[in-house]
Amino acid sequence: EVQLVQSGAEVKKPGESLKISCKGSGYSFTSYWIGWVRQMPGKGLEWMGIIFPGDSDTRYSPSFQGQVTISADRSISTAYLQWSSLKASDTAMYYCARPLHSGSPAPFDYWGQGTLVTVSS
Amino acid sequence: EIVLTQSPGTLSLSPGERATLSCRTSQSVSSDSLAWFQQKPGQAPRLLIYGASSRATGIPDRFSGSGSGTDFTLTISRLEPEDLAVYYCQQYGTSPPYTFGQGTKLEIK
Repeated sequence: EVQLVQSGAEVKKPGESLKISCKGSGYSFTSYWIGWVRQMPGKGLEWMGIIFPGDSDTRYSPSFQGQVTISADRSISTAYLQWSSLKASDTAMYYCARPLHSGSPAPFDYWGQGTLVTVSS
Repeated sequence: EIVLTQSPGTLSLSPGERATLSCRTSQSVSSDSLAWFQQKPGQAPRLLIYGASSRATGIPDRFSGSGSGTDFTLTISRLEPEDLAVYYCQQYGTSPPYTFGQGTKLEIK
């Protein structure tokens, strides 16, 4: 069974750094892209970026390029989303997700449970 | 970047009625690259339709997708109370970013 299990909720102060995780299981982690989606409180879904753990090829939305870093550790089947200096506007639910298939671009079919990040002074 | 515009913003219908949700893209999207998601309150999104018209695994046949080019439609026939959710379209064409629409909120009277 394919599963994506995300790290727990975080409460941080502006300016702090943060790295959240998403552990994949039940499939070949290095054969599928894995992506991140932001959902700010009461708002819609925003596609942030994706990484291919097989070779660490990473693509970002222009809206998030330079604001976050997406990475992956193949040895433990885990993808990461990190910030070097959080802002209050980073407060959101963050989902990791895996596409339907490993070939050409595909929509996310498997989703993590979400990690709520709260940034407040 | 391709912009997706969904309409209406909110749809209020009764059980048993038919819901028609629209998604318009700012550029033509291959019919193989348009998906629909359902997000119920407090839950992660769930893939309903991919390739504009193919139902994902386990999705009831009450849900159907159609369209091509820049105009796509999600139809939910015979609404049930459990269909209360926000519905999003997404394009996943040849290159990222794979943008989402802003969502349509479906209310069940």
